[in-house]
Amino acid sequence: AQSVTQLGSHVSVSEGALVLLRCNYSSSVPPYLFWYVQYPNQGLQLLLKYTTGATLVKGINGFEAEFKKSETSFHLTKPSAHMSDAAEYFCAVSPSGGSYIPTFGRGTSLIVHP
Amino acid sequence: NAGVTQTPKFRVLKTGQSMTLLCAQDMNHEYMYWYRQDPGMGLRLIHYSVGEGTTAKGEVPDGYNVSRLKKQNFLLGLESAAPSQTSVYFCATLNPAGTNQPQHFGDGTRLSIL
Repeated sequence: AQSVTQLGSHVSVSEGALVLLRCNYSSSVPPYLFWYVQYPNQGLQLLLKYTTGATLVKGINGFEAEFKKSETSFHLTKPSAHMSDAAEYFCAVSPSGGSYIPTFGRGTSLIVHP
Repeated sequence: NAGVTQTPKFRVLKTGQSMTLLCAQDMNHEYMYWYRQDPGMGLRLIHYSVGEGTTAKGEVPDGYNVSRLKKQNFLLGLESAAPSQTSVYFCATLNPAGTNQPQHFGDGTRLSIL
């Protein structure tokens, strides 16, 4: 069984400020972890993914996430928010071993103020 | 290269009417999924398919049927639409070859049931 918890349905930051979106997961097997972004009236697009190996993963648009096994977390960060980062962000976990049925968090809406 | 195409993009139905949503992909992916997205609920899996001619139930299958007669198409049917099925529906595909491949999403179908 697996589950994903995204803390905070809305996160508000000022332009230029640090972005931190939290994701905690539970999984009975080593997980594969993903962050997706959804812009208004669009589908989800992959931001980054954790496979194995390096625990700090870099994605598109300056985002990165760190896999912390001891904390069962995969938080998404960006040093400096831009207005164009305003979107819905989803964390997803998929079990390793061939299930290919991901579980999604409920999403976090990022609001960026000028 | 269109990727994942969903038809129609918008639809308004009356309670009790039936309709079919079409998902077409040109990436030759084996796995296809139908999700519904509701505010604050994230993405919930309705049905999925691991290959041509196969279908399986997801988290919220009641009131929906699916078919995968051709590898590139995955149809979602509502036999008797209910207001509770008002939602945004997303189709996704996945290539299971290789390790932890991400899903590819269409732009969604916005469905309102009156």
